[in-house]
Amino acid sequence: DAGVTQSPTHLIKTRGQQVTLRCSPKSGHDTVSWYQQALGQGPQFIFQYYEEEERQRGNFPDRFSGHQFPNYSSELNVNALLLGDSALYLCASSSGQGMVQPQHFGDGTRLSIL
Amino acid sequence: GDSVTQMEGPVTLSEEAFLTINCTYTATGYPSLFWYVQYPGEGLQLLLKATKADDKGSNKGFEATYRKETTSFHLEKGSVQVSDSAVYFCALRRTGRRALTFGSGTRLQVQP
Repeated sequence: DAGVTQSPTHLIKTRGQQVTLRCSPKSGHDTVSWYQQALGQGPQFIFQYYEEEERQRGNFPDRFSGHQFPNYSSELNVNALLLGDSALYLCASSSGQGMVQPQHFGDGTRLSIL
Repeated sequence: GDSVTQMEGPVTLSEEAFLTINCTYTATGYPSLFWYVQYPGEGLQLLLKATKADDKGSNKGFEATYRKETTSFHLEKGSVQVSDSAVYFCALRRTGRRALTFGSGTRLQVQP
């Protein structure tokens, strides 16, 4: 039973570029959440997708956008990259819109901005 | 707003020592509480959870009790192993909300 899978594992970009990160949820899960984890900090909630719509958003600018596909997989897009966007980006999946069942996390994508 | 406060690390213990990692929270209502563990180079793994006051979550020898009166959810283990070395995160999810709110994490180092 595959868990949450994220790609790529590592990514290096320069300021001003755009990036797309991908996530496949755990089998049986229909809800995907994205978190940003800066070095030495706890994860911060970016947004959650359920039924292909953004259902809740954290305190992140519009440069951060996402998408969920009919197979429940998801993408996180970040435009106009800043040095401060360097972080580990974690995807978490769950069922029941993520409000009852625990969220299961992938190993993350390490994004470095030069 | 919601917040989670954890004790600062690193916590350094010898193998077979008793572990306590303190966690307190601020949130309206009765949130669900979680402990996640992050091993080097990996994502977060759910360690245990509790959804209402006085519930005790337990897994792999770790325990935590939901204390509403002190707004706490301290993590304990009676005898730690070198393999328990990791970063531990306390988190909450408010009822009816989708987002997890995490503490800043506590690094545990267990020496043989």
